[in-house]
Amino acid sequence: DSGVTQTPKHLITATGQRVTLRCSPRSGDLSVYWYQQSLDQGLQFLIQYYNGEERAKGNILERFSAQQFPDLHSELNLSSLELGDSALYFCASSAPSGASTDTQYFGPGTRLTVL
Amino acid sequence: AQSVTQLGSHVSVSEGALVLLRCNYSSSVPPYLFWYVQYPNQGLQLLLKYTTGATLVKGINGFEAEFKKSETSFHLTKPSAHMSDAAEYFCAVSEGNSGYSTLTFGKGTMLLVSP
Repeated sequence: DSGVTQTPKHLITATGQRVTLRCSPRSGDLSVYWYQQSLDQGLQFLIQYYNGEERAKGNILERFSAQQFPDLHSELNLSSLELGDSALYFCASSAPSGASTDTQYFGPGTRLTVL
Repeated sequence: AQSVTQLGSHVSVSEGALVLLRCNYSSSVPPYLFWYVQYPNQGLQLLLKYTTGATLVKGINGFEAEFKKSETSFHLTKPSAHMSDAAEYFCAVSEGNSGYSTLTFGKGTMLLVSP
């Protein structure tokens, strides 16, 4: 158990819909990262937040957005969903420094299926 | 831009045999390198990481990896495979001195262990 929690575990929805994925980091961690894992694209970094502020952006679509709240939990919002958005979405957190040497601890993931 | 190449999407070994999973990276700055393992239906777990110092890094579960700058490689090895090692392994790079930590992952190598 990494200490990172994600809800829900599974999500099934239809094309065009909007969903919200939730992540609670390990106690004391200030950085939260979101990743998408799919068969064709592999593991892709989406976005990083550090203490409530966006710090780095990867291959995140404009239909996707995220935020980190004062209690440090984070939400990833996916809208206008397409079949290709079906994937595993991981959240990770790391130690307060947010430096590139930090170990990222991954949650169990949310499996999104778009029908 | 940084990138990671993992040679072989699947590697099969017999129980007790040497495990060698290959990883080559490309980075414009000194890299920080990581190996993660993903068991079925679980999140990623850190096996080991290289940041600075000793180039031979020991990790959990008997795994180790050696950073070879001249070969831009960070191959993962284990002297004797166990059935419990069957999982997917991901090599990742984080650019040093970036002030933030975003991981670029390879496509992963599925390790199959036969009795």
